[in-house]
Amino acid sequence: QQKVQQSPESLIVPEGGMASLNCTSSDRNVDYFWWYRQHSGKSPKMLMSIFSNGEKEEGRFTVHLNKASLHTSLHIRDSQPSDSALYLCAASKTSGSWQLIFGSGTQLTVMP
Amino acid sequence: NSKVIQTPRYLVKGQGQKAKMRCIPEKGHPVVFWYQQNKNNEFKFLINFQNQEVLQQIDMTEKRFSAECPSNSPCSLEIQSSEAGDSALYLCASRRDSNTEVFFGKGTRLTVV
Repeated sequence: QQKVQQSPESLIVPEGGMASLNCTSSDRNVDYFWWYRQHSGKSPKMLMSIFSNGEKEEGRFTVHLNKASLHTSLHIRDSQPSDSALYLCAASKTSGSWQLIFGSGTQLTVMP
Repeated sequence: NSKVIQTPRYLVKGQGQKAKMRCIPEKGHPVVFWYQQNKNNEFKFLINFQNQEVLQQIDMTEKRFSAECPSNSPCSLEIQSSEAGDSALYLCASRRDSNTEVFFGKGTRLTVV
């Protein structure tokens, strides 16, 4: 079973709208969460990371983390067509193999 | 911008053939990862190295792949006998330490015909 679950699988929002993406880890040993964005035919690039409870904002992007429930969410305000991409959530531990465990992603489409 | 270099970008092999791909990690990054991303965008961790040592690998990698990260040479991942199900995007990534960003290369897209 996938250890990192993302929802929804796909999301369509109008240009200028808010996109909200969710991610939960079933592995209680993780302590870092990462959000990556992958445009079609390109490699994933990191958007934001978070390891403390609460919220972190960078421009139009806001990430929330609830460590008790191991749930993180990514919110994109004023969505642009260029935001259309696959959004991947990953979880990692700061000890051990150092690997990132990825979810299956949310395919975001921003309609002009 | 990522400086993880992967070659070749595209690889076409027949079933049963060997398929080899290479990766130069970002300078100063001792940890290297290989992931397989299938057509459904699902990521599968294959193996990772710290310097030249294998940290972790999955069963499939141990049985069917050959991988190494020699010092002063590119890392490599080789499928010993390609199967149709191996058709995927193979992504190499590197990181400096356990709290920092993982940088990805552009990937090698393998098609097994």
